[in-house]
Amino acid sequence: NAGVTQTPKFQVLKTGQSMTLQCAQDMNHNSMYWYRQDPGMGLRLIYYSASEGTTDKGEVPNGYNVSRLNKREFSLRLESAAPSQTSVYFCASSEMGYEQYFGPGTRLTVT
Amino acid sequence: TQLLEQSPQFLSIQEGENLTVYCNSSSVFSSLQWYRQEPGEGPVLLVTVVTGGEVKKLKRLTFQFGDARKDSSLHITAAQPGDTGLYLCAGALDSWGKLQFGAGTQVVVTP
Repeated sequence: NAGVTQTPKFQVLKTGQSMTLQCAQDMNHNSMYWYRQDPGMGLRLIYYSASEGTTDKGEVPNGYNVSRLNKREFSLRLESAAPSQTSVYFCASSEMGYEQYFGPGTRLTVT
Repeated sequence: TQLLEQSPQFLSIQEGENLTVYCNSSSVFSSLQWYRQEPGEGPVLLVTVVTGGEVKKLKRLTFQFGDARKDSSLHITAAQPGDTGLYLCAGALDSWGKLQFGAGTQVVVTP
């Protein structure tokens, strides 16, 4: 049982490049989330999907887009990366709505 | 804006000592969760508290939810090096699973 998986684990981008972070869960959870974690800031919600077919903005959505491809997969896209988007990105899923299970993270550096 | 304030930010203690981490807010939460995160990994859920005044114990860890559901504490008895990690509290903002995370308390337990 893999839980929540994320790819890639590490990525370096140049300013203006685009990329998609992939997330998949095998727990049959309805809800999925994307967070970013910066030093001293805790985890901040970027976007979430309460159920398949729906997505909503979180606290820091600017510069990002998401796609809930199916119940298992939820991707995060950076269309034009900026140095301010250097961060660790976590995907999470939940069934109860509150108890979230996190992936191992993607460490992104934008130069 | 950080709705949840965690204190202290950093705590370094010797093995066998006790410690308490606090999580405070001016907002009322329907539930509050505590996570532990180790370097290079995603947060892992420790406990969820739902009822005001609730106390939950997980081996040497004791979690308390304030009567007004605005604050919580985590107490570790006889800390061990394996307790080292970043402790995060998170309050539920709505029924869809949106969480507000605190910035975290880094705990280091030395042998």
